[in-house]
Amino acid sequence: DGGITQSPKYLFRKEGQNVTLSCEQNLNHDAMYWYRQDPGQGLRLIYYSQIVNDFQKGDIAEGYSVSREKKESFPLTVTSAQKNPTAFYLCASSRGLEETQYFGPGTRLLVL
Amino acid sequence: GIQVEQSPPDLILQEGANSTLRCNFSDSVNNLQWFHQNPWGQLINLFYIPSGTKQNGRLSATTVATERYSLLYISSSQTTDSGVYFCAVFPSTNAGKSTFGDGTTLTVKP
Repeated sequence: DGGITQSPKYLFRKEGQNVTLSCEQNLNHDAMYWYRQDPGQGLRLIYYSQIVNDFQKGDIAEGYSVSREKKESFPLTVTSAQKNPTAFYLCASSRGLEETQYFGPGTRLLVL
Repeated sequence: GIQVEQSPPDLILQEGANSTLRCNFSDSVNNLQWFHQNPWGQLINLFYIPSGTKQNGRLSATTVATERYSLLYISSSQTTDSGVYFCAVFPSTNAGKSTFGDGTTLTVKP
């Protein structure tokens, strides 16, 4: 089955800790994206990648980092510099930047 | 950056009713997409519609790019249509940098 997987489904972080969210796709898509969603709001773009070894900041990149070493993987690290990380994180992919986006099931991050 | 406004913010319907959701945007776009988010958070792409009209079953969408708006029509609504509907726009100047509206929350009552 082709699709996008995200893990874990729920993640708890202690103050001052870095955590990494996984996103994998087997759709052979070139472009991948990370979004953050807060309750009652739309999605905000954190980072996006058009191709392997290349990524660009979105509107709210501060406190986050990404890597794109493989076409199918685009992990997101939430660093301790992100002061309010509690949110729902969604990963998406598309064939190209101007193509239809497909989303994973999301990861809910909670800071303890 | 580009501004996206969706209306209405909330909509409550009886099963079988029709509805129209609107998305206004402030600048020219190369790409506009409509999504449905179910109560468990999963987003499903409904339409890729930078211009023109498309139909898929009971749903259809129209984008008038020159007037900077898009409409999503839901006919004969069902309880499974409940959820949040988002439009997302991708500016002409930066194809990857999407902006989402705040969504329309639709509740369909049996």
